[in-house]
Amino acid sequence: AQSVTQPDIHITVSEGASLELRCNYSYGATPYLFWYVQSPGQGLQLLLKYFSGDTLVQGIKGFEAEFKRSQSSFNLRKPSVHWSDAAEYFCAVGAAGTGGFKTIFGAGTRLFVKA
Amino acid sequence: KAGVTQTPRYLIKTRGQQVTLSCSPISGHRSVSWYQQTPGQGLQFLFEYFSETQRNKGNFPGRFSGRQFSNSRSEMNVSTLELGDSALYLCASSLAEKGAQYFGPGTRLTVL
Repeated sequence: AQSVTQPDIHITVSEGASLELRCNYSYGATPYLFWYVQSPGQGLQLLLKYFSGDTLVQGIKGFEAEFKRSQSSFNLRKPSVHWSDAAEYFCAVGAAGTGGFKTIFGAGTRLFVKA
Repeated sequence: KAGVTQTPRYLIKTRGQQVTLSCSPISGHRSVSWYQQTPGQGLQFLFEYFSETQRNKGNFPGRFSGRQFSNSRSEMNVSTLELGDSALYLCASSLAEKGAQYFGPGTRLTVL
């Protein structure tokens, strides 16, 4: 069965420091991969997506992610974090299975940014 | 283009009542999915509709149901509410089956 693991429940980084959020997935074929961000009390906003092609994907708000097939990973990165990036981040996998195509979300990583 | 809208934004109900939540997808999007989000269980998939047909269903009891109208608007209904149904209910629309999903702001349901 398809699954998504975000190993870090929460991460704290200093403003201006670099960020990497980890995501590992389990799926037999090449999945569709997504990163979403959720601010408190809000819905999820799509940051970036990977379907095929270049394994380094650029998204909004200065985020990027790299698909590594050999590691079944799709880690999210940002070179310099801003205080406004404090939020919860969800990695998601879109995959075909019994019953059709489904998007499966990880448990999320909450990012805290300290001044 | 307007985003996904959900109404109402907040709702308070008592146990045993029923509730209907509404979702209007982005114009042109024909797929609508519903999720339940709670602190303990995270984001859990409820169901997905495409062209008025339920295409996928998650592992929720039959008290949770939905439908989609010809204009792609969708409603979700929960009957015989339980305390554990308190959650943020999110609706997402998608242009294609395998495309990215675009989420609404959610409906915060509190069951007393």
